Amino acid sequence: NAGVTQTPKFQVLKTGQSMTLQCAQDMNHNSMYWYRQDPGMGLRLIYYSASEGTTDKGEVPNGYNVSRLNKREFSLRLESAAPSQTSVYFCASSGAGGIYNEQFFGPGTRLTVL
Amino acid sequence: GNSVTQMEGPVTLSEEAFLTINCTYTATGYPSLFWYVQYPGEGLQLLLKATKADDKGSNKGFEATYRKETTSFHLEKGSVQVSDSAVYFCALSDRSGTALIFGKGTTLSVSS
Repeated sequence: NAGVTQTPKFQVLKTGQSMTLQCAQDMNHNSMYWYRQDPGMGLRLIYYSASEGTTDKGEVPNGYNVSRLNKREFSLRLESAAPSQTSVYFCASSGAGGIYNEQFFGPGTRLTVL
Repeated sequence: GNSVTQMEGPVTLSEEAFLTINCTYTATGYPSLFWYVQYPGEGLQLLLKATKADDKGSNKGFEATYRKETTSFHLEKGSVQVSDSAVYFCALSDRSGTALIFGKGTTLSVSS
């Protein structure tokens, strides 16, 4: 039982390049999330997927797209990377939702955009 | 809107000292409250939670009580260890359960 896995762990991009961050969970959770973590800012929600086939914007969606490929996988795409997207990206999942919204986090992807 | 405010760090303590990290929240209705911990180079792990007023969450010697009258969920530990050095995040989840709202995090450094 691996929980939430993310690939890659580290990535360096040049401005304008594109890439996709992968996330998968093996806990049969309905909901999945993408956050970014910046110094002094805590975690901010980029996009989330309440269930397979649905996605919604979070607090900071600009410059990102997501795909809920199936119940297990939720990917985050940067179409044209910018230095402002240098951050640590975390994927998370939760099963019950609502007031029991305990989320399980992956180990993160550290992205640097030059 | 919903928000979480944590005391700013870093918090520096000696081993066996008492720890308090303050957390207050603003929310409509009755949110669930969480403390997450992030060890260096790792993702966030749930430390403890409380889903209704006066609930006390506890884990690994840490405790926090959901105080609706003061809209607070302060984290405490009676005797910290070097291994407790990490970043601690307070978070809330409203009834819709859309996502968690996080505080900015408090860095704790414990020296022997």
